[in-house]
Amino acid sequence: DIQMTQSPSSLSASEGDRVSITCRASQGISNFLAWYQQKPGKAPKLLISGASTLQSGVPSRFSGGGSGTDFTLTITSLQPEDVATYYCQQYNSGPPTFGQGTKVEIK
Amino acid sequence: EVQLLESGGGLVQPGGSLRLSCAASGFTFSSFAMSWVRQAPGKGLEWVSAITASGGSAFYADSVKGRFTISRDNPKNTLSLQMNSLRDDDTAVYFCAKGLYSSSYYYYIQHWGQGTLVTASS
Repeated sequence: DIQMTQSPSSLSASEGDRVSITCRASQGISNFLAWYQQKPGKAPKLLISGASTLQSGVPSRFSGGGSGTDFTLTITSLQPEDVATYYCQQYNSGPPTFGQGTKVEIK
Repeated sequence: EVQLLESGGGLVQPGGSLRLSCAASGFTFSSFAMSWVRQAPGKGLEWVSAITASGGSAFYADSVKGRFTISRDNPKNTLSLQMNSLRDDDTAVYFCAKGLYSSSYYYYIQHWGQGTLVTASS
């Protein structure tokens, strides 16, 4: 199975800050990488697919990049509503696997 | 609008069984693979099982293989997960998820149910 490792596991930043989360795959996955946002008690919400394709309705302050084994989710100006846990997921090969999550908080 | 509504969760003793269901609407159910993903309390997401659109092929995580069985009833637009020999570490919220294609079992998930809680505890 492909292992997905996210860093950091948690972060705290000020409103308006630029925030980046890294996801590393244990082997190359091309661009078959998705990012999700999950708020407490809710199902995950798809933010980005194909490593960098923003889903409809997702604010443009979210962006994704990378290919192969190293990927990044960036929030250019952190907003209070962005407080959540973020997960990456590879779908290059089965079984699909998720990173362990990054909890984002506001200072 | 795609809707996925899980049911069947609850409290069960270790070693017991439970059957989850997911009622799907808003899309042609018989054209898409479907999956179950779970999340233990305070933990991350774990893919559990998937089934192709026709129901002809099923896939399982190693952690549930031989204990869980996924199935679907296409005329009734319903996905099921039969869980036997439940263990403490099966305690989780179980999400139903819609696939992107008919036969692939690994894909990103655009549509999730709200989840149903399964608690395996004595």
